[in-house]
Amino acid sequence: QKEVEQNSGPLSVPEGAIASLNCTYSDRGSQSFFWYRQYSGKSPELIMFIYSNGDKEDGRFTAQLNKASQYVSLLIRDSQPSDSATYLCAVNSGYSTLTFGKGTMLLVSP
Amino acid sequence: GAVVSQHPSRVICKSGTSVKIECRSLDFQATTMFWYRQFPKKSLMLMATSNEGSKATYEQGVEKDKFLINHASLTLSTLTVTSAHPEDSSFYICSARKDPNEKLFFGSGTQLSVL
Repeated sequence: QKEVEQNSGPLSVPEGAIASLNCTYSDRGSQSFFWYRQYSGKSPELIMFIYSNGDKEDGRFTAQLNKASQYVSLLIRDSQPSDSATYLCAVNSGYSTLTFGKGTMLLVSP
Repeated sequence: GAVVSQHPSRVICKSGTSVKIECRSLDFQATTMFWYRQFPKKSLMLMATSNEGSKATYEQGVEKDKFLINHASLTLSTLTVTSAHPEDSSFYICSARKDPNEKLFFGSGTQLSVL
């Protein structure tokens, strides 16, 4: 059974700090990896996606993928209170649908 | 970017009634749409995968006769919760993608409350 594991948190960081969110997955055949942000009572929104090993940067966000370790992370630089949300890691093993982790709650204090 | 529209955003209904939720891809043709359910403080749980013109594929434990899915066109999928009960109260979210391995775009979700 395909599993995606995330620490539920909450992860608390002060404003301006770097928030590091981690995710591990069980299916070695996984091909694409997504990070979604979900505010309470709202639908998830796509933050980043990554297909290849290494880092991918987009503004304050950096996704890191290590397929050998089956590990994907999301770094948020210069964290803002508006970044406080639940971050969902999702993994796609080819033509199958996404498997979501349970999400990590991030709290950024002013 | 791609837009997926979901309606209604909130619905309150009496036990035993049926509720229809619509999911539309506004600026792309969605070969596949997905329906998720999310309970408070829990992750998204996939209910079914819907391919245009064919029957939906339901996840284990999801009653296909209770959660009717229709994907009649490349831009519209509907989920009908039949004979709703209070335990069906949940946040229902649809998502759509153009091709496999493409990014998944989500609707805004529907909060269903069954009294």
